[in-house]
Amino acid sequence: QKEVEQNSGPLSVPEGAIASLNCTYSDRGSQSFFWYRQYSGKSPELIMFIYSNGDKEDGRFTAQLNKASQYVSLLIRDSQPSDSATYLCAVDVQFYFGTGTSLTVIP
Amino acid sequence: DADVTQTPRNRITKTGKRIMLECSQTKGHDRMYWYRQDPGLGLRLIYYSFDVKDINKGEISDGYSVSRQAQAKFSLSLESAIPNQTALYFCATQQGSSYEQYFGPGTRLTVT
Repeated sequence: QKEVEQNSGPLSVPEGAIASLNCTYSDRGSQSFFWYRQYSGKSPELIMFIYSNGDKEDGRFTAQLNKASQYVSLLIRDSQPSDSATYLCAVDVQFYFGTGTSLTVIP
Repeated sequence: DADVTQTPRNRITKTGKRIMLECSQTKGHDRMYWYRQDPGLGLRLIYYSFDVKDINKGEISDGYSVSRQAQAKFSLSLESAIPNQTALYFCATQQGSSYEQYFGPGTRLTVT
């Protein structure tokens, strides 16, 4: 059974700050990693995926992968109130999801 | 029109009843998935299908069955509903050559 762990939060950051979300996984053989955003009452939407060690940037979002330490993180720069949502980490073609971290950006 | 639709959107049923949740997609994707979401437990995979002739159990398939009637349709059945199947159910689609997965709007199921 593969495990994907996230801090459930809630995580609160002021507007304009950097939000850092973390995820660890149990299977060292995992190859692909995904970050989804889910607004309250809505369905998840993919915001980033990463499969190579290091950083991957897309606009204000940066995904970081460290396979040796088995963690993947998501950084949100210049956080906006519209970023307030639950962020879900998923591993291996979306078969295994973490429980999500609730983020609130305070204006 | 939405690319991934789920019917019904809300359903209340009684213990022991048979119920079917339906998912349709117009994206032309070959892969389809059923998940359930419970507070504090995240999304858990129930069943997935990589094409019409391919059906696979996910992490929590007990008490559920599925049917892939066509490339565009994937149904989830609860043969005899029980209260701990009360949850939000999501269907998702994916093209096999892509990482991106698209979710339907969800079906909120309550079993009393």
